[in-house]
Amino acid sequence: NAGVMQNPRHLVRRRGQEARLRCSPMKGHSHVYWYRQLPEEGLKFMVYLQKENIIDESGMPKERFSAEFPKEGPSILRIQQVVRGDSAAYFCASSSPSGSSYNEQFFGPGTRLTVL
Amino acid sequence: TQLLEQSPQFLSIQEGENLTVYCNSSSVFSSLQWYRQEPGEGPVLLVTVVTGGEVKKLKRLTFQFGDARKDSSLHITAAQTGDTGLYLCAGDYNQGGKLIFGQGTELSVKP
Repeated sequence: NAGVMQNPRHLVRRRGQEARLRCSPMKGHSHVYWYRQLPEEGLKFMVYLQKENIIDESGMPKERFSAEFPKEGPSILRIQQVVRGDSAAYFCASSSPSGSSYNEQFFGPGTRLTVL
Repeated sequence: TQLLEQSPQFLSIQEGENLTVYCNSSSVFSSLQWYRQEPGEGPVLLVTVVTGGEVKKLKRLTFQFGDARKDSSLHITAAQTGDTGLYLCAGDYNQGGKLIFGQGTELSVKP
C-alpha cells in the first residue's frame, strides 16, 4: 500500500497527557501537511512541513502543539497537556514537489483523538 | 483571509435525481480540488482543476472551474445511493502549501 499512513487510528488520552500522532507520506512525497477536523466543522490547516523544515505553521495553536518531519522516519504531530477541546480528527496529507504543479494533496485515514 | 463558501451544506435527494454543489470565493485560486469523505475515513481526491473554464468528467460527475478561477461546481447526474457522503472543495491560493477547505456538502441519496 503506497498511500499515506497514519497511526494510531484512534487515540484516547486523559486531560494533561501527551498525544503523539504519526504520519508516513506516500512514497516519493516529501511535503507533509497536517489538518484538524472538529465535529461539525470543516478541515482546518495546521502546519506544512518538508524534510527537517517547517514551511508554514500559521494554523498551529501557539502553545502545546508542535510538529516535526525528520530526515528519517515519519512526521510527528505532538500535543502536550491535552484538553477536551483537542478532541478531533487529525489528518495528514502529502504531496510531491515535482511533476504536477497542482499541489495535489493525498490524505491519510486520520487519527481520532479523544480526550477524557 | 481567504474564505471558501460551499453550498448547499446538506442535500437529501432520491436516487436518479441530479444535483449541483457550488464552491465560491472572492479570491483567485491557483488550483481547486474536490474530495469525497466517508465517515471515519480521510478525504479522497476526486479531481483537480487548474485552468479557467475547465470542465472535467469522472463518470457521472462533472466538475467545472469558473473562467475567473474564483468558483467551481460539481454536478452529479442520476445520483446513486453509493454517492452518499461528504463532498469537500479545497482551494490553493499560493501555488503550493496549505489548502483552504469549504464547509462541505453532506449528500444523502435515498433509494
